[in-house]
Amino acid sequence: QVQLVESGGGVVQPGGSLRLSCKVSEFAFRNYPMHWVRQAPGKGLAWVAVISYDDKNKYYADSVDGRFTISRDNSKRTLYLDMSSLRPEDTATYYCAKSGLSGFDWLSYFDTWGPGTQVTVSS
Amino acid sequence: EVVLSQSPASLSVSPGGRATLSCRASQGIGNYLAWYQHRPGRAPRLLIYDATNRATGIPARFSGSGSGTDFTLTINGLRLEDLAVYYCQQRTNRPLTFGGGTRVEFK
Repeated sequence: QVQLVESGGGVVQPGGSLRLSCKVSEFAFRNYPMHWVRQAPGKGLAWVAVISYDDKNKYYADSVDGRFTISRDNSKRTLYLDMSSLRPEDTATYYCAKSGLSGFDWLSYFDTWGPGTQVTVSS
Repeated sequence: EVVLSQSPASLSVSPGGRATLSCRASQGIGNYLAWYQHRPGRAPRLLIYDATNRATGIPARFSGSGSGTDFTLTINGLRLEDLAVYYCQQRTNRPLTFGGGTRVEFK
């Protein structure tokens, strides 16, 4: 069974940094683009970033571009999100999500999600 | 950016009844629309992809229809475990976007 498990969330002050990780199992991780999606308290889902299967292409939502960096280590089957210059509006549950399409097509739906990790940005 | 508008925001349905959820796109997106179920404290779950295709393991009481700008998710025989917020999502253009969600409750 495909599993994704996020970790690394916590409480951080505005302007601070945090690294989220997502460990995956039971699928050919290296063949799929991977995404981060977040949900702020009382709000809906919002796409954050995507990384191509081969680590060569990365795209970000405008709200995080220049502050967040998505990366992956295919040998460790792990996805990362490095967050810096954090703002209170970044407070959310962060989910990693597997692309439903393999290869180059990262404009995809999300066929498997992790349970999420909570990030709170507050002084 | 493609804006997805979901209606209604909240829906009350009798147990065993039918729920009909709508998602409208600000521009044509072909059939590149997915639906998700999100229960509190749980991971979102893919229900429907590319407008009409049920994801693996999704029961037949969930069905999707539509193309272009107007899409519908129908849940027949509503069960307790179907009480959740449902989101649509488009994959035509960057950024990938979601609708604001429809909460389904028992009447």
